[in-house]
Amino acid sequence: GQQVMQIPQYQHVQEGEDFTTYCNSSTTLSNIQWYKQRPGGHPVFLIQLVKSGEVKKQKRLTFQFGEAKKNSSLHITATQTTDVGTYFCAGIRSNDYKLSFGAGTTVTVRA
Amino acid sequence: DAGVTQSPTHLIKTRGQHVTLRCSPISGHKSVSWYQQVLGQGPQFIFQYYEKEERGRGNFPDRFSARQFPNYSSELNVNALLLGDSALYLCASSLDMNTEAFFGQGTRLTVV
Repeated sequence: GQQVMQIPQYQHVQEGEDFTTYCNSSTTLSNIQWYKQRPGGHPVFLIQLVKSGEVKKQKRLTFQFGEAKKNSSLHITATQTTDVGTYFCAGIRSNDYKLSFGAGTTVTVRA
Repeated sequence: DAGVTQSPTHLIKTRGQHVTLRCSPISGHKSVSWYQQVLGQGPQFIFQYYEKEERGRGNFPDRFSARQFPNYSSELNVNALLLGDSALYLCASSLDMNTEAFFGQGTRLTVV
């Protein structure tokens, strides 16, 4: 079955620094979505990428979808304490609608 | 507009019992999906319903079942509970089957 892998599992960042989390799928995806889950909370939708090579920005967050539509990345610049949480990528295959989540990257920030 | 609502928020059950979890989607959303999330892992897909029909099923045993009602609300049923069923059960609604999902706060199920 489809597997979505995320690395790193944990990211400890100094406030103000940048970091990137990566997502890889074993199969081609029709789209990929990113979610953020704060401790004790539920996943909150951040963005959806559909086109090959697509890049989208939300303030300090930059999302990319790979040319082969099998990988994606989330880059955060100038990390703030509000960025704390777990970031999940979730992919949908072309031939079904099951949203498969990665294990997430848990981000902690040192002030 | 209210978001996705789930009930109950917390539940404690004994092994072998049965549980029913409920979900009301955002008004106008026709798709409801159920996920199981254990600590430290991503949500695992259980079911997706669209227009009251099952459109997808994850790798869960037949003890897990669900349905969607004419008003698009949904129930997840789990029979013969095992300790390993302890998890956060999340419901998500979306306009369509391939669009962004809006999650409820979840039901925290503990099986003792």
